[in-house]
Amino acid sequence: GDSVTQMEGPVTLSEEAFLTINCTYTATGYPSLFWYVQYPGEGLQLLLKATKADDKGSNKGFEATYRKETTSFHLEKGSVQVSDSAVYFCALTPKRGSQGNLIFGKGTKLSVKP
Amino acid sequence: ETGVTQTPRHLVMGMTNKKSLKCEQHLGHNAMYWYKQSAKKPLELMFVYNFKEQTENNSVPSRFSPECPNSSHLFLHLHTLQPEDSALYLCASSPMTSGTDTQYFGPGTRLTVL
Repeated sequence: GDSVTQMEGPVTLSEEAFLTINCTYTATGYPSLFWYVQYPGEGLQLLLKATKADDKGSNKGFEATYRKETTSFHLEKGSVQVSDSAVYFCALTPKRGSQGNLIFGKGTKLSVKP
Repeated sequence: ETGVTQTPRHLVMGMTNKKSLKCEQHLGHNAMYWYKQSAKKPLELMFVYNFKEQTENNSVPSRFSPECPNSSHLFLHLHTLQPEDSALYLCASSPMTSGTDTQYFGPGTRLTVL
């Protein structure tokens, strides 16, 4: 079945460090891909998304490119801040016109130290 | 009030109790979802409603009973739960159940079953 695999955490970085969180997926058809972020004590918020191959999603300095050839959607940020500390979830919806069922990875906890 | 709200934010109940979780969205969306977030497991989709009709039941035990009286409100009725049902229950909404639509999440209800 469809699935998402993302790197195990926790990830601890110093402020202004470069961030990469790896995400790969398995899906039939052409899924849409998402990164959601969960700050402590809150629900999930959409960070960025891409709906077709080679699309790049970007928001708040974060970027991810939909790579069909490697079935990947890695999250990157050039310079992290303490306020980026959160849990990051990679997710997909199986195909266009589907029920919109989000399939999530297990999440990666990021801690950024000053 | 904007976005997706959930009440209560925290709930402690015994195994013989009956309680309900409430979700309300103020976004004019037509689709609503219940997810379960357990420690060390990926978020799991439980139910999907589209225009008040249930379109997905992801093999959820009958001790969880959803209700969607209109497109803005979603309930999760709980009875005779087990300790392993303790989790964060998240509600989400989206314009439609299209695979490309962004889902907007509420802050969740932290449920503890004693």
